[in-house]
Formats: sequence, C-alpha cells, structure tokens
Amino acid sequence: KNQVEQSPQSLIILEGKNCTLQCNYTVSPFSNLRWYKQDTGRGPVSLTIMTFSENTKSNGRYTATLDADTKQSSLHITASQLSDSASYICVVSPRGEGTYKYIFGTGTRLKVLA
Amino acid sequence: DVKVTQSSRYLVKRTGEKVFLECVQDMDHENMFWYRQDPGLGLRLIYFSYDVKMKEKGDIPEGYSVSREKKERFSLILESASTNQTSMYLCASSSPGLVSYEQYFGPGTRLTVT
Repeated sequence: KNQVEQSPQSLIILEGKNCTLQCNYTVSPFSNLRWYKQDTGRGPVSLTIMTFSENTKSNGRYTATLDADTKQSSLHITASQLSDSASYICVVSPRGEGTYKYIFGTGTRLKVLA
Repeated sequence: DVKVTQSSRYLVKRTGEKVFLECVQDMDHENMFWYRQDPGLGLRLIYFSYDVKMKEKGDIPEGYSVSREKKERFSLILESASTNQTSMYLCASSSPGLVSYEQYFGPGTRLTVT
C-alpha cells in the first residue's frame, strides 16, 4: 500500500535554531515529492517540489533532500523564525497514475519559541 | 499568481441541513479537488474533477456530491449534514500542463455541524 509517514509528529525549537523534518514513503515508482507549509487555519502552500531524479531543492531557508534509494526525504529549516511555526506536509505523487493522485503524509507540527 | 478562493472560512450548520461549499480558481486549471483534513489523518480526497461536468470519486465520497458546471468553479455538496462531517474542507486546483502537476490550495472552510 502506498504510504507516506512523517516524523516527528510535533517539534518545539527555539528561534534561531535549525531543525530537520523527516518523510518516509513506500510509493514506488513515484514522479515527484513535495513539501508544503500549512499555517494554522489556512490552506497548504508549496515550499519545494522534487522529481524522482533530483536529490536537493532549496527555497530560502528551506532545503529539501531526497534519497530515492532509501525512500526518504527531509526538510531542513535553517535559522528558524517565529513565522516558521506551522505544519509541514510531505506529499508524493505516484508515477503512471494520472495527474490527480497525491498521497499525503499526516504532517509535522512545528512550534518556534522566542 | 494562482488564486483559489473558497466561499466561506467558517460555517456552522445543523444536522440534516443541505450544505454547499464553493470553490473558484482563476488560472484555467483543468483539475479541481475537494479534500477534508482531520487531526492525525492528513488530507483525504473526497472528489476530484478533470473537466467540466466530469467527476471521479476519491477515497471518502460517502455523504458528499459535487458539481462542476463551469471550469473555474467546483462545488461540494453535503446532502444531509451529519456531525461526523465536522472538519476542515480544502479545495485545490492543478493542471496537467504544470510542472509536476503542482496543486494550489484554497484557504479552507472550517465546517461545524451541530
């Protein structure tokens, strides 16, 4: 069964610190993997998208990595800010299942404290 | 910028009422989606549409129906609302022509059924 699992479920860090969120998936083959940021009470917003052939993608202080061999991705946040407090969702699209199939992780809830 | 709008941010309805949730996108996207999001479960697909008047059931269609009479508008209908349909509802759109079929989400509608 295609699954996407994220860890940890929640994380609390101090402002200015770095952190890394994990995403393990069993989707195979897959066409792309994305990370979304979702502020409380809002819709998800895309941070990064990586195809199966890419292994890193950056967006400002956010850097996503992908290891297709171990089926793992991570999202690294550098020099965290209070505005980084949000849920981060990993999403994998299976290859060959059309343009509408997306498998969502349950997210990691990050809290950044001053 | 792509904009996906949803008719209400918050909605409170009574059990048995018929409920309409509206979603509009302004980028001429072919695909539109309705998800519900519950704590610990991630996003679950209710219905999606790949063209006007075309629809496909997602993973949890029971108790819901949809309508897509115009390309830019996708409506979710709860025929007889029940308390277990209390949830956050997210609309999204995408296009097969976009890189990696990126999805764009609306701000969400938090529905409470009492």
